[in-house]
Amino acid sequence: GENVEQHPSTLSVQEGDSAVIKCTYSDSASNYFPWYKQELGKRPQLIIDIRSNVGEKKDQRIAVTLNKTAKHFSLHITETQPEDSAVYFCAASRTQAGTALIFGKGTTLSVSS
Amino acid sequence: DAGITQSPRHKVTETGTPVTLRCHQTENHRYMYWYRQDPGHGLRLIHYSYGVKDTDKGEVSDGYSVSRSKTEDFLLTLESATSSQTSVYFCAIATGTNTEAFFGQGTRLTVV
Repeated sequence: GENVEQHPSTLSVQEGDSAVIKCTYSDSASNYFPWYKQELGKRPQLIIDIRSNVGEKKDQRIAVTLNKTAKHFSLHITETQPEDSAVYFCAASRTQAGTALIFGKGTTLSVSS
Repeated sequence: DAGITQSPRHKVTETGTPVTLRCHQTENHRYMYWYRQDPGHGLRLIHYSYGVKDTDKGEVSDGYSVSRSKTEDFLLTLESATSSQTSVYFCAIATGTNTEAFFGQGTRLTVV
């Protein structure tokens, strides 16, 4: 089955800096890669996703890149703000009935002002 | 809230007792998932369902069973609760495997 590795487990940056979180996956058939943000005591929520027919996707200060050959994808947050402090999860799945969404272990991002 | 609710929100139970957690959706989504969240382990898949009576095991299914007799309800049962099953349990729903998954509020389960 799919295995998703996520690094780093913790990341501390100064406000205004950029933050990068990296994930690798094992199943070459995976073709959907979402990122979720979980604030303290709340449920995970989708912030951006990318499909395998796209190499990069951007939404304001966040972007995701995908390298299918190397089987890794990354989340980039620019101009970080204190409200970006949260746990971020990457995930992977394939478009096939009967399969499931598998998550990495998460990255705790702390943005200090 | 994306039409998904979990019950109960908090539960304390004794070792060896059976426990059932409920996930209810009003979105008619095909996929439903149960994850557990523990520090250092992220979100680990317990069981999932891709239709009524269609379920499969995830990464950490030992000691858990599920049932989905209606589209809207996905039940997670701990057959005989152990302290290692103390965790926060999240249910999620999705229309497919390549679409956004919406999470419930979570259930904090403590086994003493």
